[in-house]
Amino acid sequence: GAGVSQSPSNKVTEKGKDVELRCDPISGHTALYWYRQSLGQGLEFLIYFQGNSAPDKSGLPSDRFSAERTGGSVSTLTIQRTQQEDSAVYLCASSLDPAIYEQYFGPGTRLTVT
Amino acid sequence: SQELEQSPQSLIVQEGKNLTINCTSSKTLYGLYWYKQKYGEGLIFLMMLQKGGEEKSHEKITAKLDEKKQQSSLHITASQPSHAGIYLCGAESLYNQGGKLIFGQGTELSVKP
Repeated sequence: GAGVSQSPSNKVTEKGKDVELRCDPISGHTALYWYRQSLGQGLEFLIYFQGNSAPDKSGLPSDRFSAERTGGSVSTLTIQRTQQEDSAVYLCASSLDPAIYEQYFGPGTRLTVT
Repeated sequence: SQELEQSPQSLIVQEGKNLTINCTSSKTLYGLYWYKQKYGEGLIFLMMLQKGGEEKSHEKITAKLDEKKQQSSLHITASQPSHAGIYLCGAESLYNQGGKLIFGQGTELSVKP
C-alpha cells in the first residue's frame, strides 16, 4: 500500500483479556516504531525495530507488552492481561532507514479497555 | 531524559491571521521534526530541521531551528481553516543512532472562518 496501515482501527476489550495490534509499514522501510498516545501523557515511544530485531525496547511500560516483527515487514504489538490504563491510541510509524528520521505514521488503533 | 515543551498549548486565531508555535528542548537538539495531527488520524510529517539556524518552508508554513536556544518555531502565515489541527514537535533522542523520537505535548490550533 501507499502508506502505513494498522488494524484494527478500534478495539474494545475487557480488562484481563489479551489483544494484538497489527502494523503494516510502507514497503521497503527497514525501521518500524510503535508509539502510544493518551490523554495527559502525550505521544510516548514504546519500541523500535530495525529489520526483525528490536534495538530499543525502552518504552515498553511493563512485561505485559511485547512486540515482534517478521520478514522485515509486518509487526504485531501484543498486550497481555489488559488493564484500563492501557486504553490509548497505539500508533505505528516506519522510516526508510533509522538514520533517516522522517517517520511516516499510520492512522492508529484506538484501544479501549473496559 | 530529554523533554520538549510546546507553547501555547492551544490557540484560536481568525482566518487570515499569522501565528507562531514554539518548541523548547531541555537538552541539545540534534534534529527537530514537526508533525500535524487531525483528530482521530495519524501524524502527517511537515518538516525536519537538523542544523542550527536552518529554516524551511512549505506553502504557508515556515519552521526555524535555533540550536543555541534549543528551540524551534513554527510560523503559519495567513492561516486557513485547513491549518486547524494539533501540531507536534519531535526530537531525536540519540544523535545519529536511529530510534525513537521524543514528542512535545502538542499545540491545538483552531482557525475561525
